[in-house]
Amino acid sequence: KAGVTQTPRYLIKTRGQQVTLSCSPISGHRSVSWYQQTPGQGLQFLFEYFSETQRNKGNFPGRFSGRQFSNSRSEMNVSTLELGDSALYLCASTLGRDGETQYFGPGTRLLVL
Amino acid sequence: AQTVTQSQPEMSVQEAETVTLSCTYDTSESDYYLFWYKQPPSRQMILVIRQEAYKQQNATENRFSVNFQKAAKSFSLKISDSQLGDAAMYFCACTSGTYKYIFGTGTRLKVLA
Repeated sequence: KAGVTQTPRYLIKTRGQQVTLSCSPISGHRSVSWYQQTPGQGLQFLFEYFSETQRNKGNFPGRFSGRQFSNSRSEMNVSTLELGDSALYLCASTLGRDGETQYFGPGTRLLVL
Repeated sequence: AQTVTQSQPEMSVQEAETVTLSCTYDTSESDYYLFWYKQPPSRQMILVIRQEAYKQQNATENRFSVNFQKAAKSFSLKISDSQLGDAAMYFCACTSGTYKYIFGTGTRLKVLA
């Protein structure tokens, strides 16, 4: 099976712009989680989607949003970018049951200038 | 709220030696799952080991084993016969019925030849 894929791999944006990142889960996986990874902060949970519904979300401002499509592919959007949004954004997929091992994509590295 | 703490930002080990990475967690749930993930430089995050809290037996995967102390809420990772390929960031994580995985800030492991 193909692994989790994320596009694009790298992005450079300027403050105030918006960005959309995409994640395609492993075939058959219906849950997609998104994380922000920054040095010293580890992975911060953004939100989790299962069958097009958001089941949980982290403590991020409303500028961060996401959605999931019927084929389980997911997108996250960040509006009005700030310098502090520069990070590696990771997505992970599972079948959707509690306690499963997450399978991660390679990430999208976002740099905000 | 769940928390995961990794108190060692960086560790070093000689090749072929043994190293233990520390992790403590806090959760009010009685049923939860614990994980160690490995993130090699510029490569995808992969699972090292998974532990179900209701199982008292410590999980092992080849050279990797955990010391799960439920009462102390401790979940350390032992790597035996360390190899150069073990050099990576190691993250401890916990999840419990909310589809939200909480990660620690990571420990960077250096393996010295």
